[in-house]
Amino acid sequence: QKEVEQNSGPLSVPEGAIASLNCTYSDRGSQSFFWYRQYSGKSPELIMFIYSNGDKEDGRFTAQLNKASQYVSLLIRDSQPSDSATYLCAVTGQNTDKLIFGTGTRLQVFP
Amino acid sequence: DTAVSQTPKYLVTQMGNDKSIKCEQNLGHDTMYWYKQDSKKFLKIMFSYNNKELIINETVPNRFSPKSPDKAHLNLHINSLELGDSAVYFCASSAANRGENEQYFGPGTRLTVT
Repeated sequence: QKEVEQNSGPLSVPEGAIASLNCTYSDRGSQSFFWYRQYSGKSPELIMFIYSNGDKEDGRFTAQLNKASQYVSLLIRDSQPSDSATYLCAVTGQNTDKLIFGTGTRLQVFP
Repeated sequence: DTAVSQTPKYLVTQMGNDKSIKCEQNLGHDTMYWYKQDSKKFLKIMFSYNNKELIINETVPNRFSPKSPDKAHLNLHINSLELGDSAVYFCASSAANRGENEQYFGPGTRLTVT
């Protein structure tokens, strides 16, 4: 079982729709959860982080964490073609800052 | 005013050579990391340093040796380069000592070994 699992996609959504990206993790002691966006040929860019159960909103992005079910999701409202990228889920274990990454979900937003 | 910077951006070299990649951050962070992203785009941690002290050392061949002259710099030296070392290497930093685990990445160094 992979430590952090994501559907590789591509996830295709029309412009203006909500894109929903999901991630599950295996370490029940995981404490910190991150979403990074990576454009082709570029470095990962931190877009959201969440540490507590529930929702966290920042602009068009909402991160959702459910520790009991061991999943974290990212919602992108009003998706734009510029949101087309690979989204990486990353998780830290208990008492460590070591990030474990998923393999990423490729998002395509078409006009 | 780049937050995390790396040099060089591209590195093409032959098998058996020794090369170094440099990383600097001006965010005032205390912890720095090296990651490797392979051809399948999987990103995996290699090392982390906190205030010049090695904290994380994943199962990386000992041909890879990180060095941190101060908490703003973390360099990666690679001896006897092999074809399988071809990848993109990212440096990152965080303020882990302050409980801020958010990591910020540099632009990456694309290493090609021929």
